Amino acid sequence: ETGVTQSPTHLIKTRGQQVTLRCSSQSGHNTVSWYQQALGQGPQFIFQYYREEENGRGNFPPRFSGLQFPNYSSELNVNALELDDSALYLCASSSPIGQDYGYTFGSGTRLTVV
Amino acid sequence: DAKTTQPNSMESNEEEPVHLPCNHSTISGTDYIHWYRQLPSQGPEYVIHGLTSNVNNRMASLAIAEDRKSSTLILHRATLRDAAVYYCILRGPLSTGGFKTIFGAGTRLFVKA
Repeated sequence: ETGVTQSPTHLIKTRGQQVTLRCSSQSGHNTVSWYQQALGQGPQFIFQYYREEENGRGNFPPRFSGLQFPNYSSELNVNALELDDSALYLCASSSPIGQDYGYTFGSGTRLTVV
Repeated sequence: DAKTTQPNSMESNEEEPVHLPCNHSTISGTDYIHWYRQLPSQGPEYVIHGLTSNVNNRMASLAIAEDRKSSTLILHRATLRDAAVYYCILRGPLSTGGFKTIFGAGTRLFVKA
C-alpha cells in the first residue's frame, strides 16, 4: 500500500503571496489532517477533513483554508503569506475517523516565506 | 484539551532498553494514548496506542498506569535508528474535539553506540 504523498517538497514564496500545498492520502484512508511544524517544535493542528467536509480546526486564521476531494486527496491553501508562515507543513491520513486509529504522516512540504 | 508532559531529552546506550515517560494527569476516561516518533527530515511515524491495557507491537511496548495518569513507551533494545523525537499525545472522541491530536514538544532520544 502507498503512504501519504505531499507536493511540493520545498517551496519559496514572497510575503503576501498565496500558496497551495497538496496531499495524497494513503490508500483506503478517508480522513486527512494538516499540521504546521515550526523549527524545533511539535506539529500544530490546522484542520481536519472527513468526507470532503472540514470537521475540526485549530487556532489558525481564516487565510488558512483547505479542500478534500472525492478521492480523499487534499489541498492546504494559505493566503497573504507572512514570514511566520515559514514552516514544515505535514499532512496525515487515517481511516476510519476516530481516536482508536493511528495517523500516517507524509514527509511534509517545507515552506519558506521571504 | 488534555495535555501531556514529557522530559525534553533522554539518552540511552545502544542495545539497552529505553523507557520514555509521559504524564497526562488530566486524561479523560475516553482518551486514547498515542505515541509517535519523528526522525530528522521526516514526518511523524505512528508507534503505538492504547486505552487502558498494556500494548505490544513489533516496534515497542506501551505500559499504562492503572490510574491512566501516566504511561511509558518501552523500546526493548535501542538502536541508532531509534534516535528521534518521541511524542506522547491524547486523542479523545470526536464529540470533544479529540481529533485535534495536540502534540507537545516531545522527548528527544539520543542513542549512544
